[in-house]
Formats: sequence, structure tokens, C-alpha cells
Amino acid sequence: GENVEQHPSTLSVQEGDSAVIKCTYSDSASNYFPWYKQELGKGPQLIIDIRSNVGEKKDQRIAVTLNKTAKHFSLHITETQPEDSAVYFCADSRGGGNKLTFGTGTQLKVEL
Amino acid sequence: GAVVSQHPSRVICKSGTSVKIECRSLDFQATTMFWYRQFPKKSLMLMATSNEGSKATYEQGVEKDKFLINHASLTLSTLTVTSAHPEDSSFYICARVTSYNEQFFGPGTRLTVL
Repeated sequence: GENVEQHPSTLSVQEGDSAVIKCTYSDSASNYFPWYKQELGKGPQLIIDIRSNVGEKKDQRIAVTLNKTAKHFSLHITETQPEDSAVYFCADSRGGGNKLTFGTGTQLKVEL
Repeated sequence: GAVVSQHPSRVICKSGTSVKIECRSLDFQATTMFWYRQFPKKSLMLMATSNEGSKATYEQGVEKDKFLINHASLTLSTLTVTSAHPEDSSFYICARVTSYNEQFFGPGTRLTVL
């Protein structure tokens, strides 16, 4: 990708509520959109990804949606738990082993 | 379980010394690995693409003579920070890429240069 914008930079939610993080990309050739969770002092962990031929993908409490026309993709976490607290990064890529372009990250805090 | 390991996890060195960081793919052969750098509360910045059996490809602005990358086998890539200075202090993370374009990251190495 060329540039990926991510919002919000910080997000606080109450336990049990939903959290939504949004990203916008600029490279029309991008076709792979992963989301990573990074806990303090650790490497990023791939939590879900979506490819351009799919509009939505869900894995238990986590879902990702993709709007190729608008070049938007979003991460949705339902029934948030304290252990969901971390920094989340979106990214895009042209695929084929090409490099990822990361968003600026969202610090999610789930409060009891 | 972890598919990528890094060693060491943390290193403190004196200014002017060189530091080698190892990145191992534990579950699969990796012809391509990526090296990233991350400053506190910042995003990941790609430094270079490590290619098995050939020279690494560096991103614009990254000094190849400063950050030496060797990918001598299908499971091991190394990053050597030469003549380290305090401004090289950072969190260095490697990643293995799959044929499906998924990148799996190592646990990272915290480098502190005094």
C-alpha cells in the first residue's frame, strides 16, 4: 500500500461493549488487509485478515468489513473483555509476498 | 504456538559496539523475512526485506552498511546493528511471510545503546 490512515488513536470502552476501529487506504491495488494486536513489549499478533474478494469476515467476537469502493476497512470487537486491551494495527498489501503498510495504531482500553 | 523466534529478547550495549539479532522461522521454511523497527508508541516501520541466498532489499532511508542483514538459510535471518549509537535504541521485530501473504511476527528485541 501507499498510505493507511487509522482512527481513533485511542479508544476506551466498558467491558461488554463493542469497539470499532476504522482504516482508510489509498492504494487501489491493495488486496489484502490484516489486523494485528500488539501487547506491551511483544510482537504484533495476527488476529484476523480479509482479502479483496470478500466483504466481511467473522471469527467469534472479532469481525472485519471491507468496502473496496470507499477504500475503507474496519475491525469490530463485540463483548469486549479486559484482555482485549492492547494496541491494534491495520495494514494493507498488494499481496504476493509484498510488504505491508501499517496504520498508526489504536490503543484500546477495556475498563471494568 | 510461536512460529517465529527472536534472540536475544533484550540487549544493552555500549555505544560503538555491534549487536546481532537472530530471527528463526520455527515451523516453515522462509525464503523471505521482513525486519521492522518500532519506536515507543509508534507504528511499525519496515527496514528491509531479507531474501534467502541473496542480498537484502532496504527501504529508502535505511543504511545498508549500518544494518547488515544475512539470510543464509531457510530458517534463519540475522540483523546486525553495526557501531551502534543511542539513536539506534529501538524495538526490532522480524516477520515471516507465507505464500498467502500472511506475516507472522517474532516477539521482538529491545535494543538499548548506552
